[in-house]
Amino acid sequence: ETGVTQSPTHLIKTRGQQVTLRCSSQSGHNTVSWYQQALGQGPQFIFQYYREEENGRGNFPPRFSGLQFPNYSSELNVNALELDDSALYLCASRTGGASSYEQYFGPGTRLTVT
Amino acid sequence: DQQVKQNSPSLSVQEGRISILNCDYTNSMFDYFLWYKKYPAEGPTFLISISSIKDKNEDGRFTVFLNKSAKHLSLHIVPSQPGDSAVYFCAASAYNNAGNMLTFGGGTRLMVKP
Repeated sequence: ETGVTQSPTHLIKTRGQQVTLRCSSQSGHNTVSWYQQALGQGPQFIFQYYREEENGRGNFPPRFSGLQFPNYSSELNVNALELDDSALYLCASRTGGASSYEQYFGPGTRLTVT
Repeated sequence: DQQVKQNSPSLSVQEGRISILNCDYTNSMFDYFLWYKKYPAEGPTFLISISSIKDKNEDGRFTVFLNKSAKHLSLHIVPSQPGDSAVYFCAASAYNNAGNMLTFGGGTRLMVKP
């Protein structure tokens, strides 16, 4: 069974640039969520994708957007990067059932905005 | 508005003794609670969970207790081992349009001394 993988592991961008982060979900999982973890804090929910549609969103502006592909992999796009976007970005996958709560996380992508 | 709080940022315990990590929540709509463990440079790893219809769930050395009236849960690790040293996150879920999104606490760093 393949776990959740993310790429790249580290990324350095300049304020105002755009970035794309990638995630492959765990085998058998059709639901992918993205979380932002700032230093010293817990992960914060950005959004979730199920069957290629966004079906939930946290308190993040529209410049945070995403995609899910037919193989359930996903992308997180952030436009007009700000210094406060520097964080660890975590992808998590799970099965899509209403009784499915456990999410399985990838190792994350460390984004630094200068 | 922090809906899930872990008020102890760190905890130090001697090997073999019990570790007790605490978590408080404010949203009475939460119906499922999870604990995750995180090592540096890795994503959070699912540890144990509990449904709101139960007050205790046990898995080996790990037990989670839920006190709904107090909106409080705790994770007990006994006996504690040096390999348990990590950051522990409490998370809560409420099924809504976001489909079982997780709300995390800020984490507690556990150090188990040999």
